[in-house]
Amino acid sequence: DVKVTQSSRYLVKRTGEKVFLECVQDMDHENMFWYRQDPGLGLRLIYFSYDVKMKEKGDIPEGYSVSREKKERFSLILESASTNQTSMYLCASSVTNNEWYFGPGTRLTVT
Amino acid sequence: QKEVEQNSGPLSVPEGAIASLNCTYSDRGSQSFFWYRQYSGKSPELIMFIYSNGDKEDGRFTAQLNKASQYVSLLIRDSQPSDSATYLCAAPLYNNNDMRFGAGTRLTVKP
Repeated sequence: DVKVTQSSRYLVKRTGEKVFLECVQDMDHENMFWYRQDPGLGLRLIYFSYDVKMKEKGDIPEGYSVSREKKERFSLILESASTNQTSMYLCASSVTNNEWYFGPGTRLTVT
Repeated sequence: QKEVEQNSGPLSVPEGAIASLNCTYSDRGSQSFFWYRQYSGKSPELIMFIYSNGDKEDGRFTAQLNKASQYVSLLIRDSQPSDSATYLCAAPLYNNNDMRFGAGTRLTVKP
């Protein structure tokens, strides 16, 4: 079974803190994605990566950065957390458009 | 216009009835379509995908695709309370591995 894991299920951070969210997949997938999900807005793409050290901006990259130093790991970084970044963060990985798997999600609260 | 649009609901059906979930998409180049189920507090899980015009059946679930109308639907027969969840429609952008999601339709099946 494909496994996509995320470093934390729940996280509480203070405004201005630097926050790291990690995602690891164990199926050698090239493509990895970070989404955030908010009520009424659905899933919105923040950043994605098709290969190691490669990254592309999604629809809402402002306030975020990413790192992909190894194929299996894709990190999302909030440089200076703000309250409007309180959300559910979902990582996904895929090989093709048929095989798309989500991690369990991280619910981040910024106070 | 959003790339993938769904009626956000909520949709409520009695146990045993057919639940019908609808989705439209804007990218005529999209070749495949996916339905995900998401329970509250959980990450999305893939239920079905469809490529060809017409119907595709898998157990109690039937996906229907009409490319001319840019319309895809999911029918759930003999609905059960355990089907109560948010259902997300998704389509990859043409010539792109980026998946676009609808905002989701919340379904409640009442015993």
